Amino acid sequence: RKEVEQDPGPFNVPEGATVAFNCTYSNSASQSFFWYRQDCRKEPKLLMSVYSSGNEDGRFTAQLNRASQYISLLIRDSKLSDSATYLCVVNGNTGNQFYFGTGTSLTVIP
Amino acid sequence: DTGVSQDPRHKITKRGQNVTFRCDPISEHNRLYWYRQTLGQGPEFLTYFQNEAQLEKSRLLSDRFSAERPKGSFSTLEIQRTEQGDSAMYLCASSEAYGSWADEQYFGPGTRLTVT
Repeated sequence: RKEVEQDPGPFNVPEGATVAFNCTYSNSASQSFFWYRQDCRKEPKLLMSVYSSGNEDGRFTAQLNRASQYISLLIRDSKLSDSATYLCVVNGNTGNQFYFGTGTSLTVIP
Repeated sequence: DTGVSQDPRHKITKRGQNVTFRCDPISEHNRLYWYRQTLGQGPEFLTYFQNEAQLEKSRLLSDRFSAERPKGSFSTLEIQRTEQGDSAMYLCASSEAYGSWADEQYFGPGTRLTVT
């Protein structure tokens, strides 16, 4: 079983829509969770960390569900500039090895 | 620019040749990671350093791969006897570590390796 699994999409949504991505992880001992954004042929860029209590940054909300071992990312009022691949990241047993999902592709359509 | 830098940005080599990549992390970051990414996949962890010590290596890292961080600053990743399957983007990231858990990682632009 993969350490991290994501729905690869693609998600094609109109501007202004709300879209949600989920990511499941296999290691119940994982402690660190992140969402990264990656534009085509660019490096991943940190979008936000995911805290146990959930956290919000503008139009972005991240949630962690430890019981079901998944993290989610909600994007409200989608902008054209949100078009990218979104990667979830979870750490392993030692805390030092990080596992990335395959990414979920989002295209926001005018 | 005080971000993570990598050199070269692109490398084309013939099968069987050795290649070496360099990564300069953010200066105050004590952790440095190497990843490999192929098309349509997320980055795959290869190895990481805490200061100059290489503390963890993935089983993906065959004996043809070696990484160093001699003074706890920049790092090099060498691939010996390259194979076509080594063609990928090699990404370096750095982070500050608080206690046992690492903080967010910041990535460099990557080195794209093509083995012909």
